[in-house]
Amino acid sequence: LAKTTQPISMDSYEGQEVNITCSHNNIATNDYITWYQQFPSQGPRFIIQGYKTKVTNEVASLFIPADRKSSTLSLPRVSLSDTAVYYCLGGGSQGNLIFGKGTKLSVKP
Amino acid sequence: GAVVSQHPSRVICKSGTSVKIECRSLDFQATTMFWYRQFPKKSLMLMATSNEGSKATYEQGVEKDKFLINHASLTLSTLTVTSAHPEDSSFYICSAPDRGLSTGELFFGEGSRLTVL
Repeated sequence: LAKTTQPISMDSYEGQEVNITCSHNNIATNDYITWYQQFPSQGPRFIIQGYKTKVTNEVASLFIPADRKSSTLSLPRVSLSDTAVYYCLGGGSQGNLIFGKGTKLSVKP
Repeated sequence: GAVVSQHPSRVICKSGTSVKIECRSLDFQATTMFWYRQFPKKSLMLMATSNEGSKATYEQGVEKDKFLINHASLTLSTLTVTSAHPEDSSFYICSAPDRGLSTGELFFGEGSRLTVL
């Protein structure tokens, strides 16, 4: 399973775009890259998943370079409700995802 | 998206008693479910993989006799914390994949907060 490295915390203001980069140097060929969001006292919630290049859905974009050793989650125009911990995970083809420490995003008014 | 539900969401028990937490996949079948625990301000730690119709697979350092897992049907897995002690107080979260395991996309329950007095 890929070991991931993310910034421990990030601060932003409402309306700004936030980019969180994750390193996963030993990601396997078959591994997908998945990002989850977790609010306090709740289970993680799936945000977006990708294999390579760019993926976009209604809440975020995910950029993955050709070497797949990193990925960047982009949250457009964040609001206060986006304050949460964001986890980047690589692998989990057997479903047993190993969570890293995540990035605590604080959005300020 | 798929829904995974846990019950109870909160439980308080006395030291030495056993507590059962249920994890249900509401709109899909899950032959595999995963149990995590999370301490305050810490990340999720995978405890075990629950397999329908067979024994659970425990991660290193997790006592299988302490944390009993039963996956008797395709929609229900239970975690029983036996002879609970205050150090077992934690947030327990289950998850399940609804499209097989290959994509790594999991759906998580709401979590169950256990407090052992």
